Amino acid sequence: AQTVTQSQPEMSVQEAETVTLSCTYDTSESDYYLFWYKQPPSRQMILVIRQEAYKQQNATENRFSVNFQKAAKSFSLKISDSQLGDAAMYFCALMEYGNKLVFGAGTILRVKS
Amino acid sequence: DVKVTQSSRYLVKRTGEKVFLECVQDMDHENMFWYRQDPGLGLRLIYFSYDVKMKEKGDIPEGYSVSREKKERFSLILESASTNQTSMYLCASSFRTAYNEKLFFGSGTQLSVL
Repeated sequence: AQTVTQSQPEMSVQEAETVTLSCTYDTSESDYYLFWYKQPPSRQMILVIRQEAYKQQNATENRFSVNFQKAAKSFSLKISDSQLGDAAMYFCALMEYGNKLVFGAGTILRVKS
Repeated sequence: DVKVTQSSRYLVKRTGEKVFLECVQDMDHENMFWYRQDPGLGLRLIYFSYDVKMKEKGDIPEGYSVSREKKERFSLILESASTNQTSMYLCASSFRTAYNEKLFFGSGTQLSVL
């Protein structure tokens, strides 16, 4: 069964600093996708970044990047130059081939000015 | 832009009431999903549908049913609402691909059952 664990219920970061959100997962498959979703106070879920398991290169999207360690089943999100608009709940999620998306419990990110 | 619209942002119902949560998407997506979101538990899949009149149970289907009579509309039904169904409900949709990776979400319905 797919499982996703986010061990940090809450994180804080100073504006313009860098923060890393942790995620570990479990799957018996070798082919799968990993995602980070952001949910701001508006409640609208926004896809931040995704990583195909077969790709060794870590995905990046502007200030957002991931550290994908397939052997360790770890998928952390790094946010550089944090902005006030980054404050949100962040969810890590896993999808196996032809299967459903499984989410972690979420990490609340607070950004201090 | 893809739009997934949930009919109510907030809803208050009484125990035992039949509750309908409606979701409509405008991008001709084959797949539609209902999740519930609870603090400390993340999002959990209740039901999903890959086609009209088709439905599959997710991880927590007990106490819920769904209806998909038209491609664009996916309804979640609480036959007899209970207090433990107080939660945030999120609808999502996507195209049918090998990986349903690009999900589009609605803004959620916060349901309170008193």
